[in-house]
Amino acid sequence: RKEVEQDPGPFNVPEGATVAFNCTYSNSASQSFFWYRQDCRKEPKLLMSVYSSGNEDGRFTAQLNRASQYISLLIRDSKLSDSATYLCVVSYTGRRALTFGSGTRLQVQP
Amino acid sequence: NAGVMQNPRHLVRRRGQEARLRCSPMKGHSHVYWYRQLPEEGLKFMVYLQKENIIDESGMPKERFSAEFPKEGPSILRIQQVVRGDSAAYFCASSPGGVGNQPQHFGDGTRLSIL
Repeated sequence: RKEVEQDPGPFNVPEGATVAFNCTYSNSASQSFFWYRQDCRKEPKLLMSVYSSGNEDGRFTAQLNRASQYISLLIRDSKLSDSATYLCVVSYTGRRALTFGSGTRLQVQP
Repeated sequence: NAGVMQNPRHLVRRRGQEARLRCSPMKGHSHVYWYRQLPEEGLKFMVYLQKENIIDESGMPKERFSAEFPKEGPSILRIQQVVRGDSAAYFCASSPGGVGNQPQHFGDGTRLSIL
């Protein structure tokens, strides 16, 4: 079983749609959680950190459920420019290295 | 305010040659991480270094791969006697310090192709 699991997609949605991505992690010794975005094999870019109380940044909302070891990302009012692969990322207590999910691909269509 | 700088962007080597990948962290960052992304796969951690020290190399293959981060100059990931399976994108990331919840910032990556 992978340490961080994501639905690979692709998710094909029309502009303006709301889309949600889920991610589960297997190691309970987890410390920090992030969503990164990666475009066309370019470098991953930090989208947002995920906090226990949930957090929002514009059209993006992240949620964390430690009991279920589950993280989510909600994108409202999708734009064409949101098309990318979204990476769920976890770091574990005592380790600085990041553990990446394989990513969920989003394609927003006009 | 330069970000993480990696070079070269693309590197082509023949089987058996050596590949040297360089990474300069963001200004003020003293922690460097190397990751590898094989085609159609996610990023996999290789090694974590601070200046002159390897902190965690649990993701590094046991043979042919080495990394360093000298007191002066960039971090180097070195692959000896490259094979076709080494073809991948190699990303370097940096962070300012040793706190686990600090996000890492990535360079553009080096695309290594083995002929």
